[in-house]
Amino acid sequence: NAGVTQTPKFQVLKTGQSMTLQCAQDMNHEYMSWYRQDPGMGLRLIHYSVGAGITDQGEVPNGYNVSRSTTEDFPLRLLSAAPSQTSVYFCASRGHSYEQYFGPGTRLTVT
Amino acid sequence: TQLLEQSPQFLSIQEGENLTVYCNSSSVFSSLQWYRQEPGEGPVLLVTVVTGGEVKKLKRLTFQFGDARKDSSLHITAAQPGDTGLYLCAGYPGRAGNMLTFGGGTRLMVKP
Repeated sequence: NAGVTQTPKFQVLKTGQSMTLQCAQDMNHEYMSWYRQDPGMGLRLIHYSVGAGITDQGEVPNGYNVSRSTTEDFPLRLLSAAPSQTSVYFCASRGHSYEQYFGPGTRLTVT
Repeated sequence: TQLLEQSPQFLSIQEGENLTVYCNSSSVFSSLQWYRQEPGEGPVLLVTVVTGGEVKKLKRLTFQFGDARKDSSLHITAAQPGDTGLYLCAGYPGRAGNMLTFGGGTRLMVKP
């Protein structure tokens, strides 16, 4: 099992550009989430999904869109990148237990 | 203000010393978790505590959940350089929920 995979690992964008961060899991987990990690802030929840076709907002959803068309995939879209979105982004999934499995992260810089 | 406050933010100690990291909140949590994160990687779960007053041990690490389910602590005995990393507490607020909330983290450095 690959677990949770994320692509790309690094990305540099210019202000106003759009892009999609990919996330996939092969554990048949129902729950998937996107977090951003900034220095001293821990991880903050952006969006989450409790199953295919169902998504909801987390703590910091502005500027991001998500969709969940399959159990395996949960892409995060930045519609118009801003410097404030410079961060490290983590995707996570969990089954019916409390344990979340995290991907390796995407380091995004917006100039 | 974060829902979960961790202290200290940074800790630098010598190999062999003991340390305690705290995770506090004014809210009740249905469970609390501790994760460890190494540079360039995602967090990895160490333990989940679900019952008020619960104590769990993982080799040299001892985790405690407060009686009121509002706080937790992580104690490391005889720290080793391999314990170096970012320690994060996280929890599901309220009786249930899908929104895992994280503390700000404690960055630990253990010098040989």
